[in-house]
Amino acid sequence: GNSVTQMEGPVTLSEEAFLTINCTYTATGYPSLFWYVQYPGEGLQLLLKATKADDKGSNKGFEATYRKETTSFHLEKGSVQVSDSAVYFCALSDNAGNNRKLIWGLGTSLAVNP
Amino acid sequence: DVKVTQSSRYLVKRTGEKVFLECVQDMDHENMFWYRQDPGLGLRLIYFSYDVKMKEKGDIPEGYSVSREKKERFSLILESASTNQTSMYLCASSYLSSGNTIYFGEGSWLTVV
Repeated sequence: GNSVTQMEGPVTLSEEAFLTINCTYTATGYPSLFWYVQYPGEGLQLLLKATKADDKGSNKGFEATYRKETTSFHLEKGSVQVSDSAVYFCALSDNAGNNRKLIWGLGTSLAVNP
Repeated sequence: DVKVTQSSRYLVKRTGEKVFLECVQDMDHENMFWYRQDPGLGLRLIYFSYDVKMKEKGDIPEGYSVSREKKERFSLILESASTNQTSMYLCASSYLSSGNTIYFGEGSWLTVV
């Protein structure tokens, strides 16, 4: 079946450091891929998404490229800020039928120190 | 902006009580979801609804039921709360077809004592 594996946290960085959070997936067909972010005490919100191979999603300085050859959707940011401290979730939608079948990674906690 | 509103942020209930968690969305979304979030376990789908009065079990439906009498409202019911249901509960909604963004509420922290 479909699955998502993301790197375990917590990840701790200093402000202005480079961030990579790895996400790999297993799926048949052509899924859509998402990164959601959860700030402390809040629900999740969409950070970026990509719907086909080689698409790059970007938002708030974060980027992720849908790589079908390596089945990956790694999240990157060139210079993190304290305000980026949050939990990041990678997710996959199998694009079959309704939106029920969203597969979630376990989340990666990021702490950015000043 | 899409708004998904959960009625209670923090609740404390006693074992055996019946608990209602309410959720309302304002975007005319067909899909509504209830998830449970626990440390180390990520998000787990409890129930899903794609239309009024329609529901599907998710991955962990045991001990829960849901109600969707109106399109904008989706209620999660714990028939007899137990301590292992202490958790963060997240409501979400989306348009019907796969690949659409899912919008979340802020979550309800439930403690069962």
